Amino acid sequence: DGGITQSPKYLFRKEGQNVTLSCEQNLNHDAMYWYRQDPGQGLRLIYYSHIVNDFQKGDIAEGYSVSREKKESFPLTVTSAQKNPTAFYLCASSIGSSGVSYNEQFFGPGTRLTVL
Amino acid sequence: DQQVKQNSPSLSVQEGRISILNCDYTNSMFDYFLWYKKYPAEGPTFLISISSIKDKNEDGRFTVFLNKSAKHLSLHIVPSQPGDSAVYFCAASGTYKYIFGTGTRLKVLA
Repeated sequence: DGGITQSPKYLFRKEGQNVTLSCEQNLNHDAMYWYRQDPGQGLRLIYYSHIVNDFQKGDIAEGYSVSREKKESFPLTVTSAQKNPTAFYLCASSIGSSGVSYNEQFFGPGTRLTVL
Repeated sequence: DQQVKQNSPSLSVQEGRISILNCDYTNSMFDYFLWYKKYPAEGPTFLISISSIKDKNEDGRFTVFLNKSAKHLSLHIVPSQPGDSAVYFCAASGTYKYIFGTGTRLKVLA
């Protein structure tokens, strides 16, 4: 089955700790994205990547880092510098970037991160 | 600076009636618009889209209308069903990324 997987579904971390959220896709998509969802704020873009070994900051990149060493994987690290990390994190992928042509985004099931 | 706005945070509709969800945008350079449906604790799923060169796109019970002069799009669901109860996000395709609205929670009453 083709799709996007995110793990874990729920994640707890202590304040001051870094944590990495996993995102894997087997859709052979070039572009991958990380969003954060907070109540009443919709989906806000953290980072995106259009091709392996390249990624760009989104609207709220501070306190986050990513890597794109493989086409199918786009892990997100929430660092201790992120002031308000408790949120629902969504990973998405698309065939190519929206800047090239229209491409629907497919979303993973999400990871809820809670900082204790 | 909210480029894509959904001004109604919630909407309740009787089963069988029409649901109309609205979305406004500010950037006339957006070339594609999408609607996503989201259940709690799940990722959004794609529902329907429309190109900026069209004014209507229909898929079964779902129709999206685009009014470029007003920078407004709407999603019509007819007839509404209880299973349609979810949060609906509109999104605009900009340069190299998508911009999402804040969502409208639809509740279809049986």
